Amino acid sequence: NTKITQSPRYLILGRANKSLECEQHLGHNAMYWYKQSAEKPPELMFLYNLKQLIRNETVPSRFIPECPDSSKLLLHISAVDPEDSAVYFCASRKTGQANERLFFGHGTKLSVL
Amino acid sequence: GEQVEQRPPHLSVREGDSAVIICTYTDPNSYYFFWYKQEPGAGLQLLMKVFSSTEINEGQGFTVLLNKKDKQLSLNLTAAHPGDSAVYFCAVSEWGGRALIFGTGTTVSVSP
Repeated sequence: NTKITQSPRYLILGRANKSLECEQHLGHNAMYWYKQSAEKPPELMFLYNLKQLIRNETVPSRFIPECPDSSKLLLHISAVDPEDSAVYFCASRKTGQANERLFFGHGTKLSVL
Repeated sequence: GEQVEQRPPHLSVREGDSAVIICTYTDPNSYYFFWYKQEPGAGLQLLMKVFSSTEINEGQGFTVLLNKKDKQLSLNLTAAHPGDSAVYFCAVSEWGGRALIFGTGTTVSVSP
């Protein structure tokens, strides 16, 4: 699926600030960040539904999402922690119907030293 | 909220055999269900979406059964082949229908 692009693909960090980027060319108006730790299922972090943010309250405050327009999604991470090592997937869907499938990007693999 | 359990966590089968993965959910009002396949280093690809009004759903090389009474969703890979080796996740629509809650995943290995 090349219609949802994420960058970078791989990220290795010490305690630094960094942003992950996602862009979708599907005309969807809901975008998501999911975190997948090793050998675990994807877990919802944030969702923008028609640009309204809904957050999973268990996500640490050092993660800050941004949705500059309906096709772009950013995830700003400040002072990463080793527990943040995971693959971060961006996803999108068309809103309006609960049965609409999610389309996933290829993910950004974050490794925290 | 909804909770989804999936079993088994690992499944090894020989080519041509069948493989069954079962998900159990908790919310009796859940209405939309999905199966996703994740190959190594890749994102998740949709295999099938299932509505609670349909109990048997057939895809290419697999069948999905929904048992609403027991709140179970199963994926049956028929005549598995090495290309089926992947991690499989069930998912249930949650967050007011706006997002998905995933099961714990099943790693399927198909040997020739």
